Amino acid sequence: ETGVTQTPRHLVMGMTNKKSLKCEQHLGHNAMYWYKQSAKKPLELMFVYSLEERVENNSVPSRFSPECPNSSHLFLHLHTLQPEDSALYLCASSQDTGKDEQYFGPGTRLTVT
Amino acid sequence: AQSVTQLDSQVPVFEEAPVELRCNYSSSVSVYLFWYVQYPNQGLQLLLKYLSGSTLVKGINGFEAEFNKSQTSFHLRKPSVHISDTAEYFCAVRKGGYNKLIFGAGTRLAVHP
Repeated sequence: ETGVTQTPRHLVMGMTNKKSLKCEQHLGHNAMYWYKQSAKKPLELMFVYSLEERVENNSVPSRFSPECPNSSHLFLHLHTLQPEDSALYLCASSQDTGKDEQYFGPGTRLTVT
Repeated sequence: AQSVTQLDSQVPVFEEAPVELRCNYSSSVSVYLFWYVQYPNQGLQLLLKYLSGSTLVKGINGFEAEFNKSQTSFHLRKPSVHISDTAEYFCAVRKGGYNKLIFGAGTRLAVHP
């Protein structure tokens, strides 16, 4: 595998479920990001991790819980979601949290029923 | 606060015709500007970026963009489009501090035969 991978690619969950999204980067980068892409809205940055430390939490509800166990892996744990949380969740990585280019994964299409 | 405005939500164009996708930004400080492309069911891919130096930036797939500080614009152009250029295009500005990208709402380019 090369680049940034995300699993699963599609996820349907009920409002009472608990699930996790996984992101893995094979680029040797030190920074990783979660974005939310909703229909007809600009991409929204959710979280930024640098060297496994969270450096930004963009006012995201606590029902979204990120985890970065090492610089190659990033998780987004989901619980008690709402239908309006249905969106494409994109993971990205960059060499550092400077002006470097961000490389994006293909996203996980989440539907909350 | 920085923001990005993409003036056209959709741009239809015939194959081999030129195209311009417009982007304006607001910022009171130096900016780094980016154009990303998103093909159906895929993540975002960097087309080009302006960090400093020459105001005319060339990217992949024959795209180029011109940074115009006086007009606070960063329009994307291609002299002759292909069917394969059909995708959503996002303009983004990097906010200071951590590598936080502020995205526009996107422009859907539809190339017709």
